[in-house]
Amino acid sequence: NAGVTQTPKFRILKIGQSMTLQCTQDMNHNYMYWYRQDPGMGLKLIYYSVGAGITDKGEVPNGYNVSRSTTEDFPLRLELAAPSQTSVYFCASSYGIAGTPDTQYFGPGTRLTVL
Amino acid sequence: AQSVTQLDSHVSVSEGTPVLLRCNYSSSYSPSLFWYVQHPNKGLQLLLKYTSAATLVKGINGFEAEFKKSETSFHLTKPSAHMSDAAEYFCVVSDRGEYGNKLVFGAGTILRVKS
Repeated sequence: NAGVTQTPKFRILKIGQSMTLQCTQDMNHNYMYWYRQDPGMGLKLIYYSVGAGITDKGEVPNGYNVSRSTTEDFPLRLELAAPSQTSVYFCASSYGIAGTPDTQYFGPGTRLTVL
Repeated sequence: AQSVTQLDSHVSVSEGTPVLLRCNYSSSYSPSLFWYVQHPNKGLQLLLKYTSAATLVKGINGFEAEFKKSETSFHLTKPSAHMSDAAEYFCVVSDRGEYGNKLVFGAGTILRVKS
């Protein structure tokens, strides 16, 4: 199993550009998550999904969009990149048992810089 | 809403000496708590989790944590530090969302191990 994979590893964007961060998991997990990590701030949840076709906002969703058309993939879209979106982005997945806090498995991250 | 506070942003120990990373939580119900570790330029890995079973939880690599409800604490300890333990550690609480459980991260503690 590859686990959770993310592409690209690094990206530099200009202000106003758009891009999609890709995330794929091969563990047949129901739940998937997107976080951003800023220095000294821990991880903040952007969006999450409990299954194909179901997504919900996390703590910091502004400026981002997601979709979940398959169990395996959960792409994160930045429409108009801003310097405030410079961060490290982590995708995670978990099996997802209702009412049970199960373990989340994290990808290696995407380091994004917006100039 | 649930939250965690990691009391030290940096901890420095000598190799072979004990490690103590402190975490306090705030929760309106019986919480589920986790410790994750992040090595430089890597994703996050679960060290251990507490889900209302035994209050002393053993994790990987010799780490353990004790849940103390009276003190609202979940401190991480290890009897003897190893150079490979140098990393950033996150205390995490599970928060109930509309569709399932979301993770709320502390700001992180960077552990430095001196030879």
